[in-house]
Amino acid sequence: NAGVMQNPRHLVRRRGQEARLRCSPMKGHSHVYWYRQLPEEGLKFMVYLQKENIIDESGMPKERFSAEFPKEGPSILRIQQVVRGDSAAYFCASSPSQQGLGQYFGPGTRLTVT
Amino acid sequence: AQKVTQAQTEISVVEKEDVTLDCVYETRDTTYYLFWYKQPPSGELVFLIRRNSFDEQNEISGRYSWNFQKSTSSFNFTITASQVVDSAVYFCAPAGPISNFGNEKLTFGTGTRLTIIP
Repeated sequence: NAGVMQNPRHLVRRRGQEARLRCSPMKGHSHVYWYRQLPEEGLKFMVYLQKENIIDESGMPKERFSAEFPKEGPSILRIQQVVRGDSAAYFCASSPSQQGLGQYFGPGTRLTVT
Repeated sequence: AQKVTQAQTEISVVEKEDVTLDCVYETRDTTYYLFWYKQPPSGELVFLIRRNSFDEQNEISGRYSWNFQKSTSSFNFTITASQVVDSAVYFCAPAGPISNFGNEKLTFGTGTRLTIIP
C-alpha cells in the first residue's frame, strides 16, 4: 500500500524557469493539499483540491503559482518564472473523503532556485 | 482562521527522560480537529495523533500521551522514556471547522525542535 508519492524529490531551477511538482495521493484518497515550508519555518497551507476542482486556494500566491488535480494522473503544482524566494520544500498531503482521518504527507520536493 | 503557539522553540533532554511539548491554539471555529505531526531530520512529516474538539478524553499510546484542555485551548504532547529516535521537530496543527465540505487545511505552529541526548 504505497503512501503519498512526490516527484521529483529535488529540483533545481534557474531564475525565470518553470517548476512542475507532482503528487500522487494514497490509493483511495480523493483530497489533496499542498503546503510550503520555507527554511527554518513551519508549513504554510497553499491549496486544497479534489478531483478536477480547486476547493480552497487561499494560501496560493496571486501570481505565477497554479495547481491542478485532473481526473486521471497526479496533482501538479506549477510555478512559473521562479525566483530565489520560491526555494523551499513543497509538501503534498492526501486524505480520504471522510473527515477527521488526518492527512498523510509525501516526502516533499525540495526546490532550489539558483 | 486558526493560530498556533508553540512557545518552546528547542528542547534538549537526556535519553529516558520524559518530555512535554506545549501547544496553545486560537480558533473561532466551534468545532475543529487538532493534530500532532513529527518531522525527523530526514524531512518527511509523520502523522502522530488527531483529536476532535468534542472529545477531551486524554489518551496514552505506548510512550506517547496527549492532554487536551479545551477550556485553556491547549493540546500538549508528552513522550515518556524518550529515545534518540524521538529527535525531530514536532508540529501542532488545528484544522477546522468540522463540516461536510471536507476542507481540513492545517495551520501549523513554528514547531518545537526536540533533541534527545544519548
